[in-house]
Amino acid sequence: AQTVTQSQPEMSVQEAETVTLSCTYDTSENNYYLFWYKQPPSRQMILVIRQEAYKQQNATENRFSVNFQKAAKSFSLKISDSQLGDTAMYFCAFMKPSGSSNTGKLIFGQGTTLQVKP
Amino acid sequence: NAGVTQTPKFQVLKTGQSMTLQCAQDMNHEYMSWYRQDPGMGLRLIHYSVGAGITDQGEVPNGYNVSRSTTEDFPLRLLSAAPSQTSVYFCASSRTGNGYTFGSGTRLTVV
Repeated sequence: AQTVTQSQPEMSVQEAETVTLSCTYDTSENNYYLFWYKQPPSRQMILVIRQEAYKQQNATENRFSVNFQKAAKSFSLKISDSQLGDTAMYFCAFMKPSGSSNTGKLIFGQGTTLQVKP
Repeated sequence: NAGVTQTPKFQVLKTGQSMTLQCAQDMNHEYMSWYRQDPGMGLRLIHYSVGAGITDQGEVPNGYNVSRSTTEDFPLRLLSAAPSQTSVYFCASSRTGNGYTFGSGTRLTVV
C-alpha cells in the first residue's frame, strides 16, 4: 500500500522569505501523480501544484515549486517570497493513474502547519 | 459551474441516529471520494468511486455506506451514528490524473 509521510508537523517563516516543506512517499509503481494541497483556516482544500511522475521537469506555479526526486521518493514544496496568506496547513498527496489497481485513491500525508510571520 | 456541493454544512446527531451526507458535482468527473478530517490531523479516505455503479473502500470505511447511481452524486450514509464519527467530512471529485476538487465540508457532531 502506498504511504505518504510529512515529517515536519509545524514550520514557520518570515514574510518574504523562502520555505521548503518535505514529503516522502512509498510506492512500487513507476507512474503516478503527486500533489500539494493547501488548507487555510477557512478549511477549504485548495490544490497548489501537481506533478506527474513520468515528467522529469519539476512543476512550478507562480511562487510555488517542487523538487521531485523520483529515485529518492521525495516531493518537497518550496514557497518563495512567503506571504501572510500562505499561512495554512499543507498536505502532500499521492494518486495512481487510471488503469492501475486502486486508481482514483488520493492518499494524504499527515500535513505540515505553516505559519508566516510578519 | 458550482463545482462540488456538499449538504448540509453543519449537523448534530444523537447516537444511533442515521443520516445521509449529500455530495454533487457538475464537472462530469469520473472519480469521487469521501474523506474525514479529525482535529489537527490529515484526511483519511472513507470510500471512493471511479465511476457510476463502482465503489470501493478506503482506509476507514466501517460505519459508512456509499452508492453511486449517477456520475453527479455520491451520498455518504451513516447508518447508526457514534460519537467516534464526530468529524469534518469532505467530498471531492476528479477527472483522471488531475487533482481532486473538494467541497467545503460538513461538520458533524454526534452526541
